[in-house]
Amino acid sequence: ETGVTQSPTHLIKTRGQQVTLRCSSQSGHNTVSWYQQALGQGPQFIFQYYREEENGRGNFPPRFSGLQFPNYSSELNVNALELDDSALYLCASSYYPNEQFFGPGTRLTVL
Amino acid sequence: AQSVSQHNHHVILSEAASLELGCNYSYGGTVNLFWYVQYPGQHLQLLLKYFSGDPLVKGIKGFEAEFIKSKFSFNLRKPSVQWSDTAEYFCAVNARRDDKIIFGKGTRLHILP
Repeated sequence: ETGVTQSPTHLIKTRGQQVTLRCSSQSGHNTVSWYQQALGQGPQFIFQYYREEENGRGNFPPRFSGLQFPNYSSELNVNALELDDSALYLCASSYYPNEQFFGPGTRLTVL
Repeated sequence: AQSVSQHNHHVILSEAASLELGCNYSYGGTVNLFWYVQYPGQHLQLLLKYFSGDPLVKGIKGFEAEFIKSKFSFNLRKPSVQWSDTAEYFCAVNARRDDKIIFGKGTRLHILP
């Protein structure tokens, strides 16, 4: 157990809807990174938040957005869902710039 | 740009066989290297990591990996696999001052009992 928790565990949405995924970082960590793992692929970096500011972004469109709160928990928001957004979304926390610890993930299915 | 290449997408071995999974990365600077494992239905777990020092790194469950800087490689090894090693294995890299982790596409390992 890493101490990183994510909610919900599973989620089913339809195309065009919006979704919010949540991540609670491990105690003492100030950085949260989000990754998308499509079926049969390795995780891909979406973005990172450090002290409530975006601190790097991967190759994802603007409809993927995030927030980090003063307690360092984080949300990932995806607007206008597409079928290809179906994936496991992983959150990882760290005390920048050290090792990241991954949560169990949220499995999103878009119908 | 950083990238990670895993040589085998799917490996099938019998119990007690030796394992070597290949991994090469592309990056010009100093890197941190990782192997992660994802057991069926479970979350991503760190097997081992290399930050600096001895290029032969020992991890959990009898796994080890060797960093060969001249070859940009970080191959994962285990002398004798068990059925419980059936999982997907990901090689990953990040730059020393940048936490973004770049993952390979993964190798699905299936151990026959």
